[in-house]
Amino acid sequence: DAGITQSPRHKVTETGTPVTLRCHQTENHRYMYWYRQDPGHGLRLIHYSYGVKDTDKGEVSDGYSVSRSKTEDFLLTLESATSSQTSVYFCATETGTDEQYFGPGTRLTVT
Amino acid sequence: AQSVTQLDSQVPVFEEAPVELRCNYSSSVSVYLFWYVQYPNQGLQLLLKYLSGSTLVKGINGFEAEFNKSQTSFHLRKPSVHISDTAEYFCAVIRGSQGNLIFGKGTKLSVKP
Repeated sequence: DAGITQSPRHKVTETGTPVTLRCHQTENHRYMYWYRQDPGHGLRLIHYSYGVKDTDKGEVSDGYSVSRSKTEDFLLTLESATSSQTSVYFCATETGTDEQYFGPGTRLTVT
Repeated sequence: AQSVTQLDSQVPVFEEAPVELRCNYSSSVSVYLFWYVQYPNQGLQLLLKYLSGSTLVKGINGFEAEFNKSQTSFHLRKPSVHISDTAEYFCAVIRGSQGNLIFGKGTKLSVKP
């Protein structure tokens, strides 16, 4: 357990509204990741960060933005939520040893 | 490009039976390989990883996996499963020390009494 929390754990929102998911870690890990998990797709990388204010796009970044102003916090924002963004979102951290530690997930439903 | 293929989406087995979950990867360069487990309504947890060295890797909860370079496989095995092993298992790969984790689509292991 790498001390990763995600908030909120569950959220229902309407199409077109902005949504921000928060990932908080207490281990001072350098790398942080946002994934989405959908049935039949496994986990797909949305965005990642390799340090404060250093972020990059993953495989499925369209419609998402991220920010990392502090080592411990990594925010994922859906600027205008769509039904295709209904998913379970996982945050993960890594020290640089290739082992990733995952948070408990956020279940987002866009109606 | 690299990808990870988990050949079985669901594997039902009886308690105390052996199990093998299959994983194949495609990559033209050396890779790091991982198996993660996800219990219901939880995040993923690392079971084991192969970075280099011995091709037989032992992990937590009695699981092991063997890296086979010629067959580009990294199958996960356990000689005797328990009800508590019911979960979804994900194979993942990183190309060398660069890049990000690429996950397979997962295999749901269901252990029946």
